[in-house]
Amino acid sequence: QLQVQESGPGLVKPSETLSLSCTVAGASISSSNQYWGWVRQPPGKGLEWIGSADYGGTTYYNPSLKSRLTISVDTSSNQVSLKLSSVTAADTAVYYCATYHAVYGWFDPWGQGILVTVSS
Amino acid sequence: DIQMTQSPSFVSASVGDRVTITCRASQGIGTWLAWYQQRPGKAPDLLIYVASSLQSGVPSRFSGSGSGTDFTLTITNLQPEDFATYYCQQSSSWPLTFGGGTKVE
Repeated sequence: QLQVQESGPGLVKPSETLSLSCTVAGASISSSNQYWGWVRQPPGKGLEWIGSADYGGTTYYNPSLKSRLTISVDTSSNQVSLKLSSVTAADTAVYYCATYHAVYGWFDPWGQGILVTVSS
Repeated sequence: DIQMTQSPSFVSASVGDRVTITCRASQGIGTWLAWYQQRPGKAPDLLIYVASSLQSGVPSRFSGSGSGTDFTLTITNLQPEDFATYYCQQSSSWPLTFGGGTKVE
């Protein structure tokens, strides 16, 4: 059964780069029609799609974050990484790794989420 | 970008009630709409995809309808575990976007 799990630091200083990893288990990250990516949720607020990438290197980013964002897929380790540069307090959120199925247009499964706080 | 607007933002309901949540897209999205349930402190769970298809394992009291710009999630015979926040999400075009959420309390 496909599962995804986030990992990374829970505290990042302002102006620095937020780096998270997502480990994919139970399936190959090279599966077709699947995109691997991230959704975030600021405390008490709604869901915001960050971006998604497939194993071939095709990426789609939220335009509001695109200038600061890099998502990459490592097929050798079955991991997806997120790098968000020049962070501010507004980037404080729970970050979810989420599998996007392009055929049906759904996100499933999701990781349990990781709270990242931007603070000095 | 396609904007997704949910209404209402909050619904006050009781066990056994029928609850209806609406999601409106800023432009036509066909049936490329999914619904999620999120309980406090948990990741969202997929309920419905392509507007009306029930995800495996989801109780039949959940149903979805609509196409184009207007969509509805209906919960009949509301159960205690259904008190949660619900989100719609469009997949018609990138960037993917979510509605603002509806809290059933």
